[in-house]
Order: sequence, then C-alpha cells, then structure tokens
Amino acid sequence: GAGVSQSPSNKVTEKGKDVELRCDPISGHTALYWYRQSLGQGLEFLIYFQGNSAPDKSGLPSDRFSAERTGGSVSTLTIQRTQQEDSAVYLCASSLTSGSHHEQFFGPGTRLTVL
Amino acid sequence: GNSVTQMEGPVTLSEEAFLTINCTYTATGYPSLFWYVQYPGEGLQLLLKATKADDKGSNKGFEATYRKETTSFHLEKGSVQVSDSAVYFCALSVDTGFQKLVFGTGTRLLVSP
Repeated sequence: GAGVSQSPSNKVTEKGKDVELRCDPISGHTALYWYRQSLGQGLEFLIYFQGNSAPDKSGLPSDRFSAERTGGSVSTLTIQRTQQEDSAVYLCASSLTSGSHHEQFFGPGTRLTVL
Repeated sequence: GNSVTQMEGPVTLSEEAFLTINCTYTATGYPSLFWYVQYPGEGLQLLLKATKADDKGSNKGFEATYRKETTSFHLEKGSVQVSDSAVYFCALSVDTGFQKLVFGTGTRLLVSP
C-alpha cells in the first residue's frame, strides 16, 4: 500500500517568504508527527497530531511555525517569514494510533533551503 | 530531560566485518528504545526496538539489547554487507500519551567490498 508522502520534495525560497509543506499520512493512521532534520540540531520533534487536534506543539521553534491537520488526514506545516536557520529536511511520520507500541512510518521528507 | 548519545561517524568497515554502534540514553521514566535506519535517498525506517529492560530487538541480522543498568542500547551485526551502508539513528520514547521520539545525531556506516 501507499506510504507517507510529502510534497514538495525540494523547496528553495528567499528569506522572508512564507512556505507550506504538505504531508499525506498512511490511510487510516490517526496519529501524525512532524520532525526536522538539520545539520546543527540533528532530528528534532516539532508537533504531534491525534486526529485534527495537536496535543503537543512543544517542538515548534518559534511562532513563525504553525501546522494544521484537516479531515484527520492531510497535514500542512507553514513557516512564515522564513529565515536561513529554517533550512532543513522536514519529515512527517504517521502511526495507526498514538500508542507507544505503534510504529511510526516516515515520509521521504521535504528539503527546504532558505537563501 | 531525555536525550540520546551515539558514537560519531562515519564508521568504515569492510564487508563481513563485525559492527558495533554505541548508544546511551538519559531518560525520565521508563523509555522504549529504537534503532532507525536511513538508506541513501530513502526515508527513515524502523530497524528494531525494545520496550523493557533485557529485551533484545533484532531484525535483518542486527541486534540490540536494552541494558537498564548501563543505560545503553548498542547496535551490533556479526557480518555487515555493502547494502548495510546507511545512517543509523538511536532513539527513545517515554510514553506521555504518545510516542514522542528523541533521536541521537545519527551514525553513518560505510561498508566497502
């Protein structure tokens, strides 16, 4: 079956512009996670969704970052007024439910470059 | 806080050599432990996991044992192949209602024929 998909695969933007990154989780997966993989910080948790609500947004680095999930499926991560330090690979993962015994399946990521 | 420390890479080995990648952790509570692998051009994949002390996770010839007394989860393989070349991430999760993964920095493994 289809795995987690993310779009675009690559995004180059200018400093100060807004960007939207999309994640399509595996059908039927209620839990969705965003992570960021950057050279300086490694792999960091950003936000978690259960259904359409986000019980944990503790990893979002600033108020320029926001995310939403609609219909319990697709999620969008928005970065406003991008900065060069936002350059990273943004990973999305989904799992059947939020329970700790359910494996997270990762998408291929979106590589964001802020010039 | 929760954190994972793993050995710096790259680790360079010849085919059929023995592999160890060290991983230690600090956690509040009782974590589950994971090894993820990222092959070139692919997404992260779960390689193996262990959820309680002395459990051994295994997959594709890789093994790791959850050692509570040394807070470690070292990854081992008896005979590596060129196809094992990838980046390996150790991770933990403390169940706070959901699986919030905390990753190490990753270790790149390069296996030559």
